[in-house]
Amino acid sequence: DARVTQTPRHKVTEMGQEVTMRCQPILGHNTVFWYRQTMMQGLELLAYFRNRAPLDDSGMPKDRFSAEMPDATLATLKIQPSEPRDSAVYFCASGGLAVYNSPLHFGNGTRLTVT
Amino acid sequence: KNEVEQSPQNLTAQEGEFITINCSYSVGISALHWLQQHPGGGIVSLFMLSSGKKKHGRLIATINIQEKHSSLHITASHPRDSAVYICAVRSNRDDKIIFGKGTRLHILP
Repeated sequence: DARVTQTPRHKVTEMGQEVTMRCQPILGHNTVFWYRQTMMQGLELLAYFRNRAPLDDSGMPKDRFSAEMPDATLATLKIQPSEPRDSAVYFCASGGLAVYNSPLHFGNGTRLTVT
Repeated sequence: KNEVEQSPQNLTAQEGEFITINCSYSVGISALHWLQQHPGGGIVSLFMLSSGKKKHGRLIATINIQEKHSSLHITASHPRDSAVYICAVRSNRDDKIIFGKGTRLHILP
């Protein structure tokens, strides 16, 4: 079964450290989304890409977060410097061509704890 | 006001009951997704709808595009259906996915 792969599954780090989360979308999918989930806010869209180009990253704190797709098989989300309020589960999801309205496929998430 | 509203926020029911979770949205959409998340678990896509109705086992999802409303029904509910159910819409303007806050369902044995 094709699946979205996220690494690492868990990350514990100290405030101020850089955190990099990785996502391997399903081969052939051309849209990639990064989400954050917290108890208080639920799921929030941070950024998304179509054909590797960033379409919207208005959900991200620009001063510390960055999202990139260096190639079609890898999406990265970086936080530098990390803060305790960044503690959350970060999900990546990929989907096929928008015109075909393909289902979303989610990775298992990266649980980030910043102390 | 949220662009995607779900109701109820929390729902507790007895095993065997018929369950309905509602989702209303205010934007133009190309598709609506129903997602399921078990405690501590990943997110699974249950349905993707752009019109009409879909059925999978005991789950039924309907959408009324004119009224901008969708419902997720569970027949003969079971404790293993206990999860958070999330409605998400794909904007037809910019492809953005907008999530509802989720409905936490608890089915008692």
